[in-house]
Amino acid sequence: GNSVTQMEGPVTLSEEAFLTINCTYTATGYPSLFWYVQYPGEGLQLLLKATKADDKGSNKGFEATYRKETTSFHLEKGSVQVSDSAVYFCALSFDPQGGSEKLVFGKGTKLTVNP
Amino acid sequence: DTGVSQNPRHKITKRGQNVTFRCDPISEHNRLYWYRQTLGQGPEFLTYFQNEAQLEKSRLLSDRFSAERPKGSFSTLEIQRTEQGDSAMYLCASSLAYRGGYTFGSGTRLTVV
Repeated sequence: GNSVTQMEGPVTLSEEAFLTINCTYTATGYPSLFWYVQYPGEGLQLLLKATKADDKGSNKGFEATYRKETTSFHLEKGSVQVSDSAVYFCALSFDPQGGSEKLVFGKGTKLTVNP
Repeated sequence: DTGVSQNPRHKITKRGQNVTFRCDPISEHNRLYWYRQTLGQGPEFLTYFQNEAQLEKSRLLSDRFSAERPKGSFSTLEIQRTEQGDSAMYLCASSLAYRGGYTFGSGTRLTVV
């Protein structure tokens, strides 16, 4: 079946540190890949996405590259801020837009950034 | 538009009671999804509707669970004879099929005591 594996959390960093959250997937076929973010008390929000191999998704200083050869979609940010503290979910879908098929999520990684 | 609205935000119920949650999607969205998120896990798909038709149900959705979207607008998720294992965050999302991504609501947190 289709599945997503994320690095275990929680992750605690100091402000301006470099962030990497690992994500690998198993899928039959070629899915689109997504990172969602969940701030405390809020719904999940799409952070970025990539729809085919070697695509790079980026938003708000976060980046992730779709690597078919390693079946990975690692999330990175060069300099985190306190406001980035949230739970991050990697997900896959067989709809490039992400809204017309069910999403398969990883377990989530909680990030805390200290000032 | 105020986004996807879920009510109530929190529900505490005794084991064996029935509960019902409501989701109001973005008005022009024709697809509506329900997910369940337990502590330390990512959201898991339960079911989805296109307009009023329920097109897919997960095996997670036991016969104690029923979802409806009677007029293709709001949706309800009912759990009968609740069990402690039903304690979770129930998330609703809506989308416009083949036109874009999901918009998630803030969820309903259910605690069964």
